[in-house]
Amino acid sequence: QSALTQVASVSGSPGQSITISCTGTSSDVGSYNLVSWYQHHPGKAPKLMIYEGSKRPSGVSNRFSGSKSGKTASLTISGLQAEDEADYYCCSYAGRSTWVFGGGTKLTVL
Amino acid sequence: QVQLVQSGAEVKKPGASVRVSCKASDYTFINYGISWVRQAPGQGLEWMGWIDTYNGNRNYIEKVQDRVTMTTDTSTSTAYMELRSLRSEDTAVYYCARVDSSGYTVDYWGQGTLVTVSS
Repeated sequence: QSALTQVASVSGSPGQSITISCTGTSSDVGSYNLVSWYQHHPGKAPKLMIYEGSKRPSGVSNRFSGSKSGKTASLTISGLQAEDEADYYCCSYAGRSTWVFGGGTKLTVL
Repeated sequence: QVQLVQSGAEVKKPGASVRVSCKASDYTFINYGISWVRQAPGQGLEWMGWIDTYNGNRNYIEKVQDRVTMTTDTSTSTAYMELRSLRSEDTAVYYCARVDSSGYTVDYWGQGTLVTVSS
């Protein structure tokens, strides 16, 4: 079970949009539409932002959206704000009550 | 509001064991599984394992399966993760997290417990 692949860092200016990709295999992302995305500020608990590929939990801004194509899932953040600066992790269900995380992407808001 | 409150930071010597607790509140404990995730310094999140709080079924990742035991105490809505034969590379923040009612998404997280392994 290898970690999902995420780019290490991404940046954008306030108001811009950015997309973070997450590439897995046919055993995880490719087999299930069960990718979730977490926002993680250092020292705090991760926060669920997107689940089941594209669904937003109650209270999460609609500036956050998710999608999937084949073995790659994506998180898009539109209208970037300073408070969006954080680490973002994807996570895929991988069958039989197992999960696999991505390596994380550090988002910098310029 | 769902809460998972974990035990405090630990410092252990190599070869020792550590047990981290995770007390759940404001939901029915046995209706949701618990996953344990860790983050080593400067590294990403790593899923370690899962326990079904209803029947005790569990899964662990291969790299720790010989050294880890996840348990629950349903009378106190508390989950436990014990890691034995600690090594320096086990130094990490350990999180417990609830698996939602679908059984597929980790939704709520504890605040994390720093375990430091050092001689």
